[in-house]
Amino acid sequence: QSVPTQPPSVSGSPGQSVTISCTGTSSDVGSSNRVSWYQQTPGTVPKLIISEVYNRPSEVPNRFSGSKSGNTASLTISGLQAEDEADYYCCSYTTSLTYVFGTGTKLTVL
Amino acid sequence: EVQLVESGGGLVQPGGSLRLSCAGSGFTFSGYPMHWVRQAPGKGLEYVSAITTDGSGTFYASSVKGRFTISRDNSKSMVYLQMGSLRIEDMAVYYCARGGRGSYDYWGQGTLVTVSS
Repeated sequence: QSVPTQPPSVSGSPGQSVTISCTGTSSDVGSSNRVSWYQQTPGTVPKLIISEVYNRPSEVPNRFSGSKSGNTASLTISGLQAEDEADYYCCSYTTSLTYVFGTGTKLTVL
Repeated sequence: EVQLVESGGGLVQPGGSLRLSCAGSGFTFSGYPMHWVRQAPGKGLEYVSAITTDGSGTFYASSVKGRFTISRDNSKSMVYLQMGSLRIEDMAVYYCARGGRGSYDYWGQGTLVTVSS
């Protein structure tokens, strides 16, 4: 089972926008809209921030948005804030009826 | 309030067995698929296993297939992960998570499994 690839790290200044990519295959990211994103700060439990490619739970700020094109999903954070500094993971359903997490991305707010 | 509480983690020798439990509350437990996700120290998240609402379907990552067994008891709002033939690389924090609509909307606090001789 291959793992969707994410950039190891991204960074941005407060107020800027950053985009984190999640590149998989036609067997995972490209196979359905069951792609989700999670935010995890050190020592805490992962938190769902995007489900089904672009749906945002009500408690998540609208600065977070998701999209997908082909085998690549993306998470965009606009109006970057210091509190957004965290690790981000994509997750996709697969044609093997399992799920797979991406490699993870560390976001640094400069 | 939705709560998931894991238990059963601990120290086990390579080749040993351990059973993790997860108690759900604050929601209709039988209405949701349940999952186990793990995270090795300093590493990323890894899908481990899932079970359908009625327990008739079970799914496993290739890394644990044949060694781990997931089950649930809806009458007790519990999901379990029986782990056998444990390896060093199974050492991780194991999270119980509520599934549905292709995502995990609630997570437990996790239970640490240490595999060492």
